[in-house]
Amino acid sequence: NAGVTQTPKFQVLKTGQSMTLQCAQDMNHEYMSWYRQDPGMGLRLIHYSVGAGITDQGEVPNGYNVSRSTTEDFPLRLLSAAPSQTSVYFCASSYRIFVSPLHFGNGTRLTVT
Amino acid sequence: KNEVEQSPQNLTAQEGEFITINCSYSVGISALHWLQQHPGGGIVSLFMLSSGKKKHGRLIATINIQEKHSSLHITASHPRDSAVYICAVDSSQGGSEKLVFGKGTKLTVNP
Repeated sequence: NAGVTQTPKFQVLKTGQSMTLQCAQDMNHEYMSWYRQDPGMGLRLIHYSVGAGITDQGEVPNGYNVSRSTTEDFPLRLLSAAPSQTSVYFCASSYRIFVSPLHFGNGTRLTVT
Repeated sequence: KNEVEQSPQNLTAQEGEFITINCSYSVGISALHWLQQHPGGGIVSLFMLSSGKKKHGRLIATINIQEKHSSLHITASHPRDSAVYICAVDSSQGGSEKLVFGKGTKLTVNP
């Protein structure tokens, strides 16, 4: 099993550009989520999904879109990149939130200039 | 006040020392997670617990639900234990299903 696969590992964008961060899991997990990690702050939830076709906002959703058309995939879209979105992004999945541990992807380091 | 507080923020130890990292939380929870993040690396789940104590190798995690407190202990610490340790709690407050994370404890174990 590959676990949680997150791509790309690194990305540099110019302000205003858009891009999609990919996240895929092969563990048939119901719960998938996106976090950003900034220096001096804990991981913060951007968006999450409890199953295909169901998504919801986390703490810091502005500027990001998600969709969950399949159980396996949960892409994160930056609509118009801003320097404030410079961060490390992590995708994570769990069989079911609150009852099973999280599996994290390896992270994407995004720089917006 | 953050919902999840970790202490200390930074910890330096000598190889072989017994280490304790603390986590206090202010919300009602279903479970608490301990995670490990190596420098420049990904995040790995160490423990998920809702009561009592769990042990895996040299790592021990305990939780006291009444006191809203958890500890992560590392026995016979080793330089490869150097990492950031993150506490997170399951919170269903406000109807949303989410984890709330502490800011992490950076552990450095010197040989």
